Amino acid sequence: QQQVKQSPQSLIVQKGGISIINCAYENTAFDYFPWYQQFPGKGPALLIAIRPDVSEKKEGRFTISFNKSAKQFSLHIMDSQPGDSATYFCAASGATNKLIFGTGTLLAVQP
Amino acid sequence: DTEVTQTPKHLVMGMTNKKSLKCEQHMGHRAMYWYKQKAKKPPELMFVYSYEKLSINESVPSRFSPECPNSSLLNLHLHALQPEDSALYLCASRPVGRGSYNEQFFGPGTRLTVL
Repeated sequence: QQQVKQSPQSLIVQKGGISIINCAYENTAFDYFPWYQQFPGKGPALLIAIRPDVSEKKEGRFTISFNKSAKQFSLHIMDSQPGDSATYFCAASGATNKLIFGTGTLLAVQP
Repeated sequence: DTEVTQTPKHLVMGMTNKKSLKCEQHMGHRAMYWYKQKAKKPPELMFVYSYEKLSINESVPSRFSPECPNSSLLNLHLHALQPEDSALYLCASRPVGRGSYNEQFFGPGTRLTVL
């Protein structure tokens, strides 16, 4: 029940396209859902996060869509750029201090 | 100062060596974390310190020894490591208190190679 399932494992998108990464969770006690972006050899950087009391959050080209009843959330990257090429991790957290990470999605944006 | 710093960036050590990793933050965060990350995998939690006290140890082998000397510093002491311990070691911190969520900020990591 502590798992967060992430898909796809890898994604190739053309420049200017929309990248969509999906995550699903089981533990209804989770109340915080961040997305992290990680470039090779660097630490993960917090990109955007959402709480379950809203269905969508947008920051620039990045949008989280949240479906509480389906226990799913997704990251949409609009107008994808080659500089967005990185590994993206979704995560979930509840009352504990722990972040439960998804398995990661390697995004490649082709010029 | 809005970042987590880690030193060294790279470390190569033999199985009999003793070394330490250092993490520092000046954001006033009172929870600090050590993670281990293998290639193409998500970060794996090792230790959590809350208000300078160890609150979570994820059954990490005793060859890894954490230390939190003060609210800004976190160390990870390494001794008698194995080649399979080679990984990227990440430090993270987050604010704690009323209304805060698990918003963790990661450092750049230390790339550790054990020969």
